[in-house]
Parts: sequence; C-alpha cells; structure tokens
Amino acid sequence: DQQVKQNSPSLSVQEGRISILNCDYTNSMFDYFLWYKKYPAEGPTFLISISSIKDKNEDGRFTVFLNKSAKHLSLHIVPSQPGDSAVYFCAASAWGNDMRFGAGTRLTVKP
Amino acid sequence: IAGITQAPTSQILAAGRRMTLRCTQDMRHNAMYWYRQDLGLGLRLIHYSNTAGTTGKGEVPDGYSVSRANTDDFPLTLASAVPSQTSVYFCASSDSNGQGSGYTFGSGTRLTVV
Repeated sequence: DQQVKQNSPSLSVQEGRISILNCDYTNSMFDYFLWYKKYPAEGPTFLISISSIKDKNEDGRFTVFLNKSAKHLSLHIVPSQPGDSAVYFCAASAWGNDMRFGAGTRLTVKP
Repeated sequence: IAGITQAPTSQILAAGRRMTLRCTQDMRHNAMYWYRQDLGLGLRLIHYSNTAGTTGKGEVPDGYSVSRANTDDFPLTLASAVPSQTSVYFCASSDSNGQGSGYTFGSGTRLTVV
C-alpha cells in the first residue's frame, strides 16, 4: 500500500532549464511533506519541506508546491545544474512518526 | 563530524544467521528510525524510537527487532535472516518528529542474504 507515489522513475533535463518532479499521495491525514536528495552510496539528505497549511515554500533554486485538493506536490528546481543529478524522494507524514517515502525519481541534468 | 554512523557498510549473510546492524548518532536526537530501501519501493519504515527506552513498529517490522537502551544507539537485529531481507538499510534520527527539518540519515548498510 504505497501512500506516496512518484510515478516517474527518471527525468532528464538540460542544464539551466527547469526540473519538475512530481509526487502524489493518498492519505488525507498527511500534514507535512518533504523532499530528500540522495547521491549514490550516501544516505538521503533533507532538501525542503512544506506544511499542509501552505501551498508553496521556496528555498533558493528549490520550490515545493502543494495542491491539497489534488493530493499532489511538486518540486521545481530552477535553474537546474549538473550537481543536482541525484535521486529525489518525496516523503509525507502525519504526526511525524511514520514518514512515508515514494519510490524516488532519478534526475539527470545534462551539461 | 556530527551525524550518524552505521556499521557494517556491507555484509553478505547466510540465510538463517543472526545479524545486528549498528547505528550510532552524536546529535542527541530524541527520535531514531530504521528504513530499508528496495528498488521501486523507496524507503520503508521498519521500526522507530521516539526516545530512549521506547520503540514502535513501522510499515514492515516482521523479522526485525530493535532496542533503544540509550539516546545514541539504535541497533537493528535480524534474528534469522531470509533472502527477502536483502536490501540497503538506513538509520535516521531527528530532534523531534522531524517534520520541520527532516531526518538525518546514515550512509546505509548493504545487506545480501544468500
């Protein structure tokens, strides 16, 4: 029962363009959403989060958008850089103890 | 360097053997977690601990046990390993429920059960 879904296993974009990574969830009790970035042979690292009371959170080149009615969130990276190439995991939690992760999207940014 | 240390980095284990994956954090975080990462499934929570002395079951707890004798250590034990437990295991910690600043993850243990 995957409550958090990332339907695109991979995404390739050109350096300087926008990367848009998508995530859908099914549990309406989720109240906090996060994005993590993972390089090979390393653990995931926290990137950005958003509370369910907001619809947008921005941190430098990274912006997360939340559409509660559609149970959908997205991560925008602009401009994309080759160093952004990694696997991105979407995560969601209700009360924090049971954070659920999506399957991940592998982003490749081509120079 | 503050963070989470996991050991071993990788291990090949015969089915039926007992194995303990070690996890130590030096950030004095209250909460700790164990996840397994499998292709196409992302990270799934095995067990968690909100504070020393307490533990809870996650999404996929069967075949695993944990203990939290102190703040820093959160070992994961496979009592009798089976091939389906072949996976990459990540330990994580957070200072509260981890919602605001996320979890801090270790580098993982790659376990192969043969």
